[in-house]
Amino acid sequence: NAGVTQTPKFQVLKTGQSMTLQCAQDMNHEYMSWYRQDPGMGLRLIHYSVGAGITDQGEVPNGYNVSRSTTEDFPLRLLSAAPSQTSVYFCASSRLGGGDNEQFFGPGTRLTVL
Amino acid sequence: GQQVMQIPQYQHVQEGEDFTTYCNSSTTLSNIQWYKQRPGGHPVFLIQLVKSGEVKKQKRLTFQFGEAKKNSSLHITATQTTDVGTYFCAEGAGGTSYGKLTFGQGTILTVHP
Repeated sequence: NAGVTQTPKFQVLKTGQSMTLQCAQDMNHEYMSWYRQDPGMGLRLIHYSVGAGITDQGEVPNGYNVSRSTTEDFPLRLLSAAPSQTSVYFCASSRLGGGDNEQFFGPGTRLTVL
Repeated sequence: GQQVMQIPQYQHVQEGEDFTTYCNSSTTLSNIQWYKQRPGGHPVFLIQLVKSGEVKKQKRLTFQFGEAKKNSSLHITATQTTDVGTYFCAEGAGGTSYGKLTFGQGTILTVHP
């Protein structure tokens, strides 16, 4: 199993550009989520999904869109990038139920918006 | 905003010294998870605590959940250079929010050989 994969690893955008961060998992996990990590802020939840066709907002959703058309994929879209979106983005997945929701994180995408 | 506060933000130790990081909340926590993130890496799950007063050990690591389920701690005995990284606690939600995590700010551990 590859686990959770993310592409690209690094990206530089200009203000106003759009892009999609890709995330895929091969563990048949129902739950997937996107976090951003900024120095001194821990990880903050952007959007999450409890299954195909179901998404919801997290703590910091503004400026980001998501969709979940398959169990495996959960892309994050930046419609009009802003310098405040410079961050490291992590995708994570986990099973639902069973009382154990260990999150498996991808390697991250380091995004710089100029 | 953040519901779990983690202290200290930084900790520098000499190899062989012990290390403890604390996670505190003003409200009762459903459960607490601990993650480790190596420099330049991604968070990796260490453990989940669910029961009041629970204590779990993983080799040199000891995890505790407070009796009131409002605090937790991670203690490392005799640190090694391989322990370097950021340690996060995270509250796991239950019910309809199952799977959501709220992370603390993390404690950055530096170990001097």
